[in-house]
Amino acid sequence: DVKVTQSSRYLVKRTGEKVFLECVQDMDHENMFWYRQDPGLGLRLIYFSYDVKMKEKGDIPEGYSVSREKKERFSLILESASTNQTSMYLCASRRTGDQPQHFGDGTRLSIL
Amino acid sequence: QQQVKQSPQSLIVQKGGIPIINCAYENTAFDYFPWYQQFPGKGPALLIAIRPDVSEKKEGRFTISFNKSAKQFSLHIMDSQPGDSATYFCAARGSNDYKLSFGAGTTVTVRA
Repeated sequence: DVKVTQSSRYLVKRTGEKVFLECVQDMDHENMFWYRQDPGLGLRLIYFSYDVKMKEKGDIPEGYSVSREKKERFSLILESASTNQTSMYLCASRRTGDQPQHFGDGTRLSIL
Repeated sequence: QQQVKQSPQSLIVQKGGIPIINCAYENTAFDYFPWYQQFPGKGPALLIAIRPDVSEKKEGRFTISFNKSAKQFSLHIMDSQPGDSATYFCAARGSNDYKLSFGAGTTVTVRA
């Protein structure tokens, strides 16, 4: 069974801090994704990576960056956290081709 | 701007009722339409998916209806049970896309 693990379930940080969210998948998937989930807005794509060291901006990349140094790990970085980045963050992975995305259980991030 | 519009935002049915969730899209390049189910505290999980070459697909008590000319698709939950209470997301993707476009989500509550 596919396992996508996000390092923290809950995280509280302060405005201006640099924040790292980590995601690891155990199925050798090529593609990995970071979303944020907000009520009434669904899931919005922040960044995705189609292979190691490759990344592309999603729909809302402003204020975020990502890192994919190893195939199994995809990190989301908030360069200088702001209160409007308080949200649920979801990581997903999938095999290239006509395959579904598998999601982690999310990190609820609060920026104070 | 959301590429997939989903309605209603929430709905409540009695056990045995048939909740119906509707989604509409504009991008005619979309050719894969999955539905995801999300329980509280968990990430979304793929429930069922359809392609435009069929008008209906059933998996257990879940049915997708697809109307290509109207660019609409819907999820029906037959004989709904309290355990079906969850948030449901429709999504869409083009054949050459890595990323999914999600609807805003529908919270379904099935009362016993």
